[in-house]
Parts: sequence; C-alpha cells; structure tokens
Amino acid sequence: DARVTQTPRHKVTEMGQEVTMRCQPILGHNTVFWYRQTMMQGLELLAYFRNRAPLDDSGMPKDRFSAEMPDATLATLKIQPSEPRDSAVYFCASGLVGQGSNTEAFFGQGTRLTVV
Amino acid sequence: AQSVSQHNHHVILSEAASLELGCNYSYGGTVNLFWYVQYPGQHLQLLLKYFSGDPLVKGIKGFEAEFIKSKFSFNLRKPSVQWSDTAEYFCAAEMDSSYKLIFGSGTRLLVRP
Repeated sequence: DARVTQTPRHKVTEMGQEVTMRCQPILGHNTVFWYRQTMMQGLELLAYFRNRAPLDDSGMPKDRFSAEMPDATLATLKIQPSEPRDSAVYFCASGLVGQGSNTEAFFGQGTRLTVV
Repeated sequence: AQSVSQHNHHVILSEAASLELGCNYSYGGTVNLFWYVQYPGQHLQLLLKYFSGDPLVKGIKGFEAEFIKSKFSFNLRKPSVQWSDTAEYFCAAEMDSSYKLIFGSGTRLLVRP
C-alpha cells in the first residue's frame, strides 16, 4: 500500500532550536508539496518541487525556513531558528504530474510541531 | 490573485439531512478541482476530482460535486449525511497546469446522531 511517510509524527522543541521534518514521497511520484496547517490560516502551501527542483517556495518565510530534496526518496523542511508561531501541523504530499497523468496529491500523516 | 473560497466555515446537520458545501475559485483559465476530507486527527484524503468531461463528478462515500464554469464553482453535495461524515472538508484547485494545489480555508462539518 503506497503512502507518503512523514517523520517525526510529533515534535516538541524549544524556541531557537533547529527543526528538521522529513518526507518520503510515494515511489515514482515526481511532485512534492509542503503545507502548513493552523487553526487561523488553514492550509498554506509553503513550497513544492517537481523532479526535485523547487518550483515555488514563495509561501515560505525565507529567513528561517528551507526546503530541499536531496534525492527522489527524501524531502526535508527545516526551520532554523524555530519560533512559537511556527507551531502547526506540517503536511507533505506527493503526486505524479505529466503527460498521461493528472495532479492528485496524496498526503502524509503530518508532523505536529510545537515550539515552546 | 488565484484563490479558492469556501463560504461556510462551520456546518451542523442532523443525520439524513442533505449537504451542500460551497466552493468558488478565482481564475479564468483551465482548472482542475478537488475535494479533500480530513477526519479528526488524520491526514487529508481525496474525495473526488474534476479534470474534464462530465461536470458532475461522483466520489467516494456517496459524495458528488458539480463544476459550473460560469459560476466558477465546484460545490460538494451528499443527499443524506451520516454521523461518520463529521470532518473538515477542503476544496482545492490547480490552475492552468501550474502543478500547484491551492486550498480553501476548509469547512468543518458536524453531523449530529
């Protein structure tokens, strides 16, 4: 059963610490999305990649957030330094986009981040 | 700016009542449209999608949605809701083959037994 895997599922950290969230997209998918979900803002698109290249990261605070895809099986979202306002659930999603296929994003279980 | 709007933030229904959740998008070009559901404490799951063809699409669990191009709408419907439909529902759009999914703010549905 193919699924998007995110680690860790939960993370509590102190303000100022570095946080790294990881995502393993579904094998063969060429597009990866990072979303942040909060009560106030809903689902915000932070960044997305196609074939490991960043297509749009305009939704991401550049000074502290960074997103990368070191290889096709791993996407990372890093916050350094973390702040209490970063507390949220971070979802990774992957999809297969291209000729003969359609954009449908499959979501991971999310990482619930709490910054104290 | 491209955006997706969901009109109802909270909806409360009794079991067996009919459901319609509104969704509008702001873009004049080609769109692909989706409805996702998020059950309490879980991740988002796809309910249904529209890419082309018949504007009335049927999804899982008895849900359907109708794409009305002239109204820029993609409303979600279910004739008779169940308690297990209690969840948050998100409308999403991919505009002009951008491969970028934009979500609405979500509608929390509570179905009372």
